[in-house]
Amino acid sequence: LAKTTQPISMDSYEGQEVNITCSHNNIATNDYITWYQQFPSQGPRFIIQGYKTKVTNEVASLFIPADRKSSTLSLPRVSLSDTAVYYCLVGVSNNAGNMLTFGGGTRLMVKP
Amino acid sequence: ETGVTQTPRHLVMGMTNKKSLKCEQHLGHNAMYWYKQSAKKPLELMFVYSLEERVENNSVPSRFSPECPNSSHLFLHLHTLQPEDSALYLCASSTSGTGDYGYTFGSGTRLTVV
Repeated sequence: LAKTTQPISMDSYEGQEVNITCSHNNIATNDYITWYQQFPSQGPRFIIQGYKTKVTNEVASLFIPADRKSSTLSLPRVSLSDTAVYYCLVGVSNNAGNMLTFGGGTRLMVKP
Repeated sequence: ETGVTQTPRHLVMGMTNKKSLKCEQHLGHNAMYWYKQSAKKPLELMFVYSLEERVENNSVPSRFSPECPNSSHLFLHLHTLQPEDSALYLCASSTSGTGDYGYTFGSGTRLTVV
């Protein structure tokens, strides 16, 4: 399973764009990149997933360079409610289930 | 609600007690998972069930015993736990083998062993 490396924590202010970068140098050909958000005492919540280039949804954008050894989660105009831990995962889905390993995540603190 | 329901939300048990955690999903998923999240630690995958068969057991102590009677229900039976087993236990489900890699998590059971 590919290992991921993220910054332990980041601070931002309301209204700013936040970019969180994740390194996954050993990503395999079949691996997808998935990001989750977790609030205290709750389960992680799916944010976005991608394989290459750029993916955008109503919540975030995910940028993946051609070598796929890193990815960047972009949160536009964050608010106080975006304060959470953000996890980057890489892995595959097969008939044995989704083998995704969580790293330490990035603790984002949004300040007023 | 995420579609994955865990009960109870909170549980306090003594080291000699036997209790069970329950997870239920009605999302049509065919894989279910137990994760453990201790304070200031990453989520640890404990067990994976795909198509009701256990496919992963990450060296979890035998005092934790999973059960998956069907694709919608997952249990974690607990007995003779230790205080260090106190943690947030999370259940998740997914559709395996289809290219959809997303997990749906429940809200967790906060377990305290005294």
